[in-house]
Parts: sequence; C-alpha cells; structure tokens
Amino acid sequence: DAKTTQPNSMESNEEEPVHLPCNHSTISGTDYIHWYRQLPSQGPEYVIHGLTSNVNNRMASLAIAEDRKSSTLILHRATLRDAAVYYCILISPGSGGSNYKLTFGKGTLLTVNP
Amino acid sequence: GAVVSQHPSRVICKSGTSVKIECRSLDFQATTMFWYRQFPKQSLMLMATSNEGSKATYEQGVEKDKFLINHASLTLSTLTVTSAHPEDSSFYICSAVPGLAENGVADTQYFGPGTRLTVL
Repeated sequence: DAKTTQPNSMESNEEEPVHLPCNHSTISGTDYIHWYRQLPSQGPEYVIHGLTSNVNNRMASLAIAEDRKSSTLILHRATLRDAAVYYCILISPGSGGSNYKLTFGKGTLLTVNP
Repeated sequence: GAVVSQHPSRVICKSGTSVKIECRSLDFQATTMFWYRQFPKQSLMLMATSNEGSKATYEQGVEKDKFLINHASLTLSTLTVTSAHPEDSSFYICSAVPGLAENGVADTQYFGPGTRLTVL
C-alpha cells in the first residue's frame, strides 16, 4: 500500500483556518485520498475524500496537488471540537473486501487553542 | 448519517475469562465489518475483516482462536476475546461499510464508538 506522511502535531487558534498537509509521493493513479479524524476516546469519523479534483463538504475542504503527490485538508474555521487526530489514508479500488481496508498511520494531532 | 453502535462501551474482566463485544449497524446493512485495536497513544491496528456469512479474514499476527469473530447478519458482528489476559487490555473499535460506490471504492467507513477492555 502506498504510504502517507503527516506532521505529528499542529496547533491552531479557534476560528482560524487550519491547513493539514499530507504527502503521498508514491500514490498510484487509482488511489483515492481519504481523511478521517478521531476525537479523544472515540472511534474515527469520516471527513472527506477525493481522487483528483478539490472537494468540499460541510466539514472541510480537500485540496489535491496537480501531481497528486500531496494533499491538504482545510478546516475553514477551527473550533475546539475539531481538536482530534487527523488521518490521511490512501485506498485503492480492488475486489472483495480488500478495497475497504484502511491502514491508519500516526496521523496529525491537532490542538485548537481558545 | 449512518450509525454504528458497540456494546458494551466499557468492560472490566478477570484474567482467563472471555468477553464478547457487539458491533451493530443501526440504519444500514453492512456486508463487511472491520475490527481494530488501539493501544494508548498509538494508532488503530486492523485485526480482522468480517464478512457476513463467511469466515473472517485475520491480519498477520492476530490469533484467530483468541479473537473469535462472528458476522451472523448484515447488521451484527461480534468479537469474542477468549481467555483474556492483561495484555489484551485495549480499545476495540469496529467499523462497517454500507457498500461499494459506483467507482468501486467504498465512500465511507462508519466507526463505532469503541469498547474499552480492561483485563485484571
């Protein structure tokens, strides 16, 4: 599986935008970029995913580099509830259950200061 | 959105006993469920893939006889930790997949809230 590299931790102030980077230089042409986050003592939750084009949803935006070797998760206005570990994960289409598998790296611990 | 529940949320047991953890998809059917384990300050580690009506697929290093998985219906998977020992104390999390998107990749994996297992 192609690997991703994320900073161990980042800090932000409340109500300011946050840009969480992810490097995936060995990404293949069919890999989807998924982001999940895990709040303390909870299961992870889906944030957003994309393939080539930038994506927006109610939680965040995903900006994907033209060469797809990196991406950035953007939280437009961080709140205290956004403090979590954010995981950037690549998923390849495949057959059966294998294309569902998520391999979690260490992620980025986001701290939001009031 | 889709909801996945786990029961119990927290369990404390004595060494040598067995513990069963349930994972339910409440408002969708899930042909595939996953079981993860997470130790303190570490990331999630996939233990096994559970497919409804068939045997689970275990990741390398996970003992299938110790961690029994049953996926009896499209909304329920269970993980039984047999003869639990203190080193099995961990945060166990399940997830469920509603199905394949048109592109052949699951859009979203829905996670349960986790079960904190403490073995004394």
